[in-house]
Order: sequence, then structure tokens, then C-alpha cells
Amino acid sequence: EVQLVESGGGLIQPGGSLRLSCAASGFIFSGFYMQWVRQVPGKGLVWVSRISLDGRKTGYADSVKGRFTISRDNARTTLYLQMSSLRAEDTAVYYCARENSGAKDFWGQGTLVTVSS
Amino acid sequence: QSALTQPLSASGSPGQSVTISCTGTSSDVGGYKYVSWYQQHPGKAPKLMIYEVTRRPSGVPDRFSGSKSGNTASLTVSGLQAEDEADYYCGSYAGGDNFVFGTGTRVTVL
Repeated sequence: EVQLVESGGGLIQPGGSLRLSCAASGFIFSGFYMQWVRQVPGKGLVWVSRISLDGRKTGYADSVKGRFTISRDNARTTLYLQMSSLRAEDTAVYYCARENSGAKDFWGQGTLVTVSS
Repeated sequence: QSALTQPLSASGSPGQSVTISCTGTSSDVGGYKYVSWYQQHPGKAPKLMIYEVTRRPSGVPDRFSGSKSGNTASLTVSGLQAEDEADYYCGSYAGGDNFVFGTGTRVTVL
């Protein structure tokens, strides 16, 4: 059974840093691109970032480029999102998702990041 | 990276059909076959319903179907059931390593 479990969310002050993790199981992690998606409570889904199989290729939404870094550890079957220079508008539930045939076929349950003083 | 345009809401009675549109540009929806649709119930993670414009993942009822014409994709839910009441989002590959979601549509079963 495919499982994606996010962790690392919480309350952080503006300008601070936070690292999210997504532990994957039930599939060959190194065989899939992975993504992060976020959602402000009550609002729509927003694509954040994508990473290739070996981690060498990455992509970011304009709103997080230069502040967020996606990475992966295939040996630990874990996806990461390092977030820095956090702003109030980064407050959201962050989901990790597996990419398959151009779609996100499995999602984690999400972890809430709140940026507030 | 502008969001794809979806209607705010759609509704239908049980057994009826509802169609949701998703309008983008030639740089996303119109340019690639990688259009997908997601269903999200309150407090839950999104669930993939359609991928590659028309394909259904295993376990998704055939009441759900997708199509595309030019820069607009559509999701049709036939034979509406109470459990279909949810938010629906389209998504599209947008070139390079970029993706974009739609603005979301709330489907209400009357």
C-alpha cells in the first residue's frame, strides 16, 4: 500500500526556516518524480515544487523560488522541503504527492505550517 | 504561472450530470496531454480522479469522465450521487518542471 506521511509543520515566526519531511513507503520511491503542493485552509490547491528521480532536476513556483529547496534521499525514501525566509502568505497545509503520468496519484495527509509572530 | 480558470460552483440533482470546465492557455492545458482532475472532501487530501485528460485510475467509477478541446478541459460527473459532493480541481503540466492547478469548483448535490 502506498503511503506518504508528512511531518515537520508547526508555528514559525516570519523570516524563519522550517524543514518538512515526507516519508514514503509501499512503492519504489526512486522510480517516481515527487512534488509538494500547498493549500491555505479554505482556499485552492497551489503547486509548489517538483523533483526528478535522482534529485538533479527541480522546479519551483515563482512564489517560492529562491526561498524553498526541494530534495530527496532515495536511500531513506524521504522527500524534503526546506523553507526559509518564511512569510505570512506561506501559511498553508503542505502536501507531498507522487507524480505518475503527469498527475499526482497519491497524496499524504498534509502538515500545517503557520507563519505568525 | 496563473491558475487555470474554473467556475466557482456547479450543482445537480441525484442521477443528473454536471460538467466542470477548466480553461487555460496553449502553454498549459492546450499544449499537453497531461491534464488531471482531483476530488477533495472537507478536511481530506485530494484524490486523483482523471489523468492524461481522459484516463481513470483504478477504482474511480466510470461515472467520471474527462475531455479537452483547445485550451479548455472538462470533467463530467454522470449519475450524480451524494458522495460526489466535494471540491474539484483541474491540474495541468505547464512546461519545463512547472505545473498549475485550477481555481477549484464546489459541486453540490441538490
